[in-house]
Amino acid sequence: EPEVTQTPSHQVTQMGQEVILRCVPISNHLYFYWYRQILGQKVEFLVSFYNNEISEKSEIFDDQFSVERPDGSNFTLKIRSTKLEDSAMYFCASRVQGASGELFFGEGSRLTVL
Amino acid sequence: AQKITQTQPGMFVQEKEAVTLDCTYDTSDPSYGLFWYKQPSSGEMIFLIYQGSYDQQNATEGRYSLNFQKARKSANLVISASQLGDSAMYFCAMRGSRDSNYQLIWGAGTKLIIKP
Repeated sequence: EPEVTQTPSHQVTQMGQEVILRCVPISNHLYFYWYRQILGQKVEFLVSFYNNEISEKSEIFDDQFSVERPDGSNFTLKIRSTKLEDSAMYFCASRVQGASGELFFGEGSRLTVL
Repeated sequence: AQKITQTQPGMFVQEKEAVTLDCTYDTSDPSYGLFWYKQPSSGEMIFLIYQGSYDQQNATEGRYSLNFQKARKSANLVISASQLGDSAMYFCAMRGSRDSNYQLIWGAGTKLIIKP
């Protein structure tokens, strides 16, 4: 069964360092998303990406964050200068076109900022 | 404003019993969708079931069914014949009406523990 894959599963970094989280969405999917979940809190939307550009982003997704799909398969989230409060589980998700539901998540990348 | 409420922070259920996890929502969008996800202790987010606001029938996926009551704005998840592996956090989430709008408003979750 096709699935969204994310790497790394866990990354520990020092505050101020750049981090890149990688995602390979399901191959026929056209919409891509990043969400995050701080430990013990609700899942929060970060950004949506369609047709090689950001379609929507939340207030959390400030200038420190960026996304790209450089090679048509990987979908990456970059955090330029990590802060302690960026520690969270980051989920990539994807879906096919149309409002048919079924948004599929990857297994998540746990980021720990020290 | 859109909102999802899950009123049960935790539930204990005997194995093989049916489980109903509550979810109520609030939205002014004429068209919306409701999701249920399962998050085991390992952390991944597993899609379970989806209900569109205009779907005529309640969604079902194997042992999962969604009891959608539009007038009451509720979308409860029913798990039939619970199994030990069903122990996890369960999240209800909602999307808005625009096709690209999968920002998803999430509930706080319900921790389900299945007792042997």
